[in-house]
Amino acid sequence: TQLLEQSPQFLSIQEGENLTVYCNSSSVFSSLQWYRQEPGEGPVLLVTVVTGGEVKKLKRLTFQFGDARKDSSLHITAAQPGDTGLYLCAGAQYNQGGKLIFGQGTELSVKP
Amino acid sequence: ETGVTQTPRHLVMGMTNKKSLKCEQHLGHNAMYWYKQSAKKPLELMFVYSLEERVENNSVPSRFSPECPNSSHLFLHLHTLQPEDSALYLCASSLGGGAPYNEQFFGPGTRLTVL
Repeated sequence: TQLLEQSPQFLSIQEGENLTVYCNSSSVFSSLQWYRQEPGEGPVLLVTVVTGGEVKKLKRLTFQFGDARKDSSLHITAAQPGDTGLYLCAGAQYNQGGKLIFGQGTELSVKP
Repeated sequence: ETGVTQTPRHLVMGMTNKKSLKCEQHLGHNAMYWYKQSAKKPLELMFVYSLEERVENNSVPSRFSPECPNSSHLFLHLHTLQPEDSALYLCASSLGGGAPYNEQFFGPGTRLTVL
């Protein structure tokens, strides 16, 4: 069974702090996606990374795909209460009919 | 309407009831998915439809029965469910057809409670 391990599972920080969420696997992915999910809603796609070593920025969020395409990280600078939510990484593999493998998620709480 | 919509948003049912969840996508996608999301567990893929044909059934109990009448609509028919089936059921769609990144777009989910 292919697994995507996310860490930490829970994170509670104060507004203005920085944080990093990690997504690791022993499998190689053709692409990796990050989603954010708020309570009672479905996941919303934030970014897709496809090239080993790729870095993408979305305002205060920085996403990186590992050189070997087995891992990824999400860094948030100066977190705000609006960043609170469940962050999910999901990997797509070649020849798997479009299936995504999801990590178990990181629950982030940013307190004002 | 835009994106992926799901109805109802909340559903409470007894173990002997029969109900259906509905999903509709307005993105022109060719693939649709049902996921189950339970607390403290990764999203569980239940069913995949590509061009209205079921291409994946992840050992889901027969009390869950999917239906995809066309590429825009997906249903999940429920009957004789168990309390452990209580969860958030998410529908998603993607371009499919070998699209390079298979970005999936999710609906808001149906929160199901089985009494």
